[in-house]
Amino acid sequence: DAKTTQPPSMDCAEGRAANLPCNHSTISGNEYVYWYRQIHSQGPQYIIHGLKNNETNEMASLIITEDRKSSTLILPHATLRDTAVYYCIVRVLFSGGGADGLTFGKGTHLIIQP
Amino acid sequence: GAVVSQHPSRVICKSGTSVKIECRSLDFQATTMFWYRQFPKKSLMLMATSNEGSKATYEQGVEKDKFLINHASLTLSTLTVTSAHPEDSSFYICSARPQTGYEQYFGPGTRLTVT
Repeated sequence: DAKTTQPPSMDCAEGRAANLPCNHSTISGNEYVYWYRQIHSQGPQYIIHGLKNNETNEMASLIITEDRKSSTLILPHATLRDTAVYYCIVRVLFSGGGADGLTFGKGTHLIIQP
Repeated sequence: GAVVSQHPSRVICKSGTSVKIECRSLDFQATTMFWYRQFPKKSLMLMATSNEGSKATYEQGVEKDKFLINHASLTLSTLTVTSAHPEDSSFYICSARPQTGYEQYFGPGTRLTVT
């Protein structure tokens, strides 16, 4: 899986949009960009994923640059409950052979300030 | 939908004993389940991949005789930490992938403390 780079921490005011960047300059053509988050002492939660088009769901939006070397996760109206570590992971959809475990980097610790 | 549970959520055991952690997919069948370990202030590390009805595949550096994995049904995988030592104290998290689909859904984790 391609390596990702994320800032270690970010602050955002409650009610504002939180924009979390991720660099993945070595991404391959068949690798997707996935975002998960982990609230303290809980299991990771899937947020969103995409290949090359921008994606939106009820939780967030994912903006992927045209060259696919970076992406931004947008939480449109951050709340205190969005405080968590956000992980950007690039991976193939299904590699087969049982090698589909996720490789987590250090992520970005997003702190939503009241 | 796509709920994964783990039991117990917390366990404290004495050094030298064995501990079993269960991972269940509650509303879907999971051909493949994954086990991760997370030390304080660190990221998740994949330990092993478990496919229903076959032997688990362990990541490099993970002792298969110490961390026994059984995936006997499409909704249950178990991780047994044998002869636990204080250095095995960690947060153990499982995930499950549905038979149809590519996503992984994570359990809430099990906090193991070995005294």
